[in-house]
Amino acid sequence: DAKTTQPNSMESNEEEPVHLPCNHSTISGTDYIHWYRQLPSQGPEYVIHGLTSNVNNRMASLAIAEDRKSSTLILHRATLRDAAVYYCILRADNYGQNFVFGPGTRLSVLP
Amino acid sequence: GAVVSQHPSWVICKSGTSVKIECRSLDFQATTMFWYRQFPKQSLMLMATSNEGSKATYEQGVEKDKFLINHASLTLSTLTVTSAHPEDSSFYICSVNRASYEQYFGPGTRLTVT
Repeated sequence: DAKTTQPNSMESNEEEPVHLPCNHSTISGTDYIHWYRQLPSQGPEYVIHGLTSNVNNRMASLAIAEDRKSSTLILHRATLRDAAVYYCILRADNYGQNFVFGPGTRLSVLP
Repeated sequence: GAVVSQHPSWVICKSGTSVKIECRSLDFQATTMFWYRQFPKQSLMLMATSNEGSKATYEQGVEKDKFLINHASLTLSTLTVTSAHPEDSSFYICSVNRASYEQYFGPGTRLTVT
């Protein structure tokens, strides 16, 4: 699996937007970009995923660079509940594959 | 609602005893389930892939005789930590693939070996 690089930690103020970056310069053409997050003492949960185009869902937006070597997860309005570790993971569109987790970015949200 | 459940959510056991952790897929059949382990302040590490009706596939460095995996039905996989030691204390998480892009994770089981 191609490697991703994320900042170890980030801080945000409540109700402000948060941009979480991810670099993946060795991404291959078949790799999807997935974002999961893990709240304290819980299993990870799906946030969003994309291949080439920007994506929006009720939780977040995913902005993908034109060369696909980087992406940004955007939380439009951070809440205290968004404090978690966010993982950016690359995976080919393979139903049977597990996810390979890196260290992720620990997001702190300040009230 | 929850798609994957784990039981127990936490367990404390004495060194040398065995502990069984259950992972259930609640509303769909899962031929494959994954078991991860997470030590404090670290990321998830895949331990093994559990296949319904066949032997599990273990990652390098994971002792298959110590971490017994049974996937007897399409909705249940169990992980048994045999002869547990304090270094086995960790957060154990299972997951299932529901769609090609989405993997559902259980809430995790915190094991403490005293």
